[in-house]
Amino acid sequence: AQSVAQPEDQVNVAEGNPLTVKCTYSVSGNPYLFWYVQYPNRGLQFLLKYITGDNLVKGSYGFEAEFNKSQTSFHLKKPSALVSDSALYFCAVRDITGGGSYIPTFGRGTSLIVHP
Amino acid sequence: DTAVSQTPKYLVTQMGNDKSIKCEQNLGHDTMYWYKQDSKKFLKIMFSYNNKELIINETVPNRFSPKSPDKAHLNLHINSLELGDSAVYFCASSQGSGTNYGYTFGSGTRLTVV
Repeated sequence: AQSVAQPEDQVNVAEGNPLTVKCTYSVSGNPYLFWYVQYPNRGLQFLLKYITGDNLVKGSYGFEAEFNKSQTSFHLKKPSALVSDSALYFCAVRDITGGGSYIPTFGRGTSLIVHP
Repeated sequence: DTAVSQTPKYLVTQMGNDKSIKCEQNLGHDTMYWYKQDSKKFLKIMFSYNNKELIINETVPNRFSPKSPDKAHLNLHINSLELGDSAVYFCASSQGSGTNYGYTFGSGTRLTVV
């Protein structure tokens, strides 16, 4: 089985400050983890993924995410937020060895609001 | 040069009607999907096709019927529309399972049933 949780419905941050959007997951085997971003009235866009290797993965638009196996987390981060980063962010997980679904499971999304 | 295009973008219709949403991708991907996003932004997989063959069919009323005439197209036909079908429907595509490059999503079709 595979599941993902995004504990915050909304994250507010001032422009120029670092941001973190939290994600925790549950799988029986090993996870593939993804972050997507959705701007208003648009489809989701792929940001970054963790498959294997370095725990810190870098993605588009200056975002990065840290895989932490002991805490089963994959938090999205950016050192300096921009107003244009304001959007809905989705974490997704796929269990690749524990008999999980072929299709990733998406979290419920976190709305990031960056204030000028 | 839109990678995944859906039509129409907006669809308002009455209960009981039948409607279709079309999806086309020009990325050469071999796998396509339909997702439903509800009013709380929850994203749920409905169907997945690989090379025109159905591989995933989640618990969806049989009023929903996907059709894939070729691997670049995946259309969604909905019979006897109900109020609860109101949502945004996203088409997506990937090469294989989408592990390497993720999914590419269309811009969505906002369906409103009145």
